[in-house]
Amino acid sequence: AQSVTQLGSHVSVSEGALVLLRCNYSSSVPPYLFWYVQYPNQGLQLLLKYTTGATLVKGINGFEAEFKKSETSFHLTKPSAHMSDAAEYFCAVSEFDGNNRLAFGKGNQVVVIP
Amino acid sequence: DTGVSQNPRHKITKRGQNVTFRCDPISEHNRLYWYRQTLGQGPEFLTYFQNEAQLEKSRLLSDRFSAERPKGSFSTLEIQRTEQGDSAMYLCASRQTTGENTEAFFGQGTRLTVV
Repeated sequence: AQSVTQLGSHVSVSEGALVLLRCNYSSSVPPYLFWYVQYPNQGLQLLLKYTTGATLVKGINGFEAEFKKSETSFHLTKPSAHMSDAAEYFCAVSEFDGNNRLAFGKGNQVVVIP
Repeated sequence: DTGVSQNPRHKITKRGQNVTFRCDPISEHNRLYWYRQTLGQGPEFLTYFQNEAQLEKSRLLSDRFSAERPKGSFSTLEIQRTEQGDSAMYLCASRQTTGENTEAFFGQGTRLTVV
């Protein structure tokens, strides 16, 4: 079964600094990988996804992530943090096995320091 | 198209009462998922439908939980004899299965508090 590990539940970053959120996955088949963002009392919004092809994927709001099969990782980055990036971020994996249900990590709460 | 809609947004209930939540997916989406999210955790899969057929249920879905999607459009999730441990955010998502692993769109969730 697929699973995701996100370390460090709370991440503090200074405004303008690099945002780096780490995600490692486990999957028995080539995975589909996702990053979602959640604002307080809201649902999940897709930031970006990797299915096949180019391993560096770009998403909304200046975020990008790189799929590294050898490291089973899909880390999320943004070169310069903005106050509006304060939110909770979830990495998720899906196996293309018909049901496409998502397995989520525990999330990273990002705090942006002015 | 206004996206995935969930009602109510918030529900407070006394332990032992029954509650029902509704999810209206994006109209052309044939697949609908329910997830549960507790404080400090990521969403956990509960069940999913392909049109009106419920195809998989997680072991998290105890006998007190039942979900339906009678006409392949909206879905309801009912919890009977609620317990304090049922307090969580219940998220609904929908997607269209044509194409390769198309994106799942999430609703804003129903936050349940059992007192």
